[in-house]
Amino acid sequence: KAGVTQTPRYLIKTRGQQVTLSCSPISGHRSVSWYQQTPGQGLQFLFEYFSETQRNKGNFPGRFSGRQFSNSRSEMNVSTLELGDSALYLCASSLAYGSGRPSDTQYFGPGTRLTVL
Amino acid sequence: AQKITQTQPGMFVQEKEAVTLDCTYDTSDPSYGLFWYKQPSSGEMIFLIYQGSYDQQNATEGRYSLNFQKARKSANLVISASQLGDSAMYFCAGGGATNKLIFGTGTLLAVQP
Repeated sequence: KAGVTQTPRYLIKTRGQQVTLSCSPISGHRSVSWYQQTPGQGLQFLFEYFSETQRNKGNFPGRFSGRQFSNSRSEMNVSTLELGDSALYLCASSLAYGSGRPSDTQYFGPGTRLTVL
Repeated sequence: AQKITQTQPGMFVQEKEAVTLDCTYDTSDPSYGLFWYKQPSSGEMIFLIYQGSYDQQNATEGRYSLNFQKARKSANLVISASQLGDSAMYFCAGGGATNKLIFGTGTLLAVQP
């Protein structure tokens, strides 16, 4: 089975621009979560989608948004980029969640490294 | 809300020796899972092992095992027979009723030949 894929792997943008990152989950996984990783803040949860619905959202400004398509692929968008948005953005997929069972395990993609100049 | 604490910023271990990475958790969810991930310098987060709150036995996965002590709220990762390729950042994470994983600050493990 193919793992989680993310595109692009690297991205360089300038302040004020917007960016769209893409994530394809493991086949059969309907839950997709996004995380931001920075040296200063560590790993922080952005949002999670299940069956095209946003189920949970982290503490990020409205410039960060996402969506999920009917095939479970997900995109996240960051508008009006700021220097502080430079980070590794990780996408993860899981079969289920909240069950307290191994099917809750989130498998991560390789990440998209975003640099904002 | 969940909280995950990793108190070891960095650790050294000799090749072929065992090493224990500490993790304590705090959660109000009755049903939860604890996960360990490995992140090499490439950045990819690699799943290692899972322990569910209802599991009676400690999880094991090859050279990885979890020392789960519910009363102490600890879920320490034990890596046996360390290899040079084990050098990486290791994160403990907790998940509960939602699919929001809370991560610890990580432990940087260096395996020395």
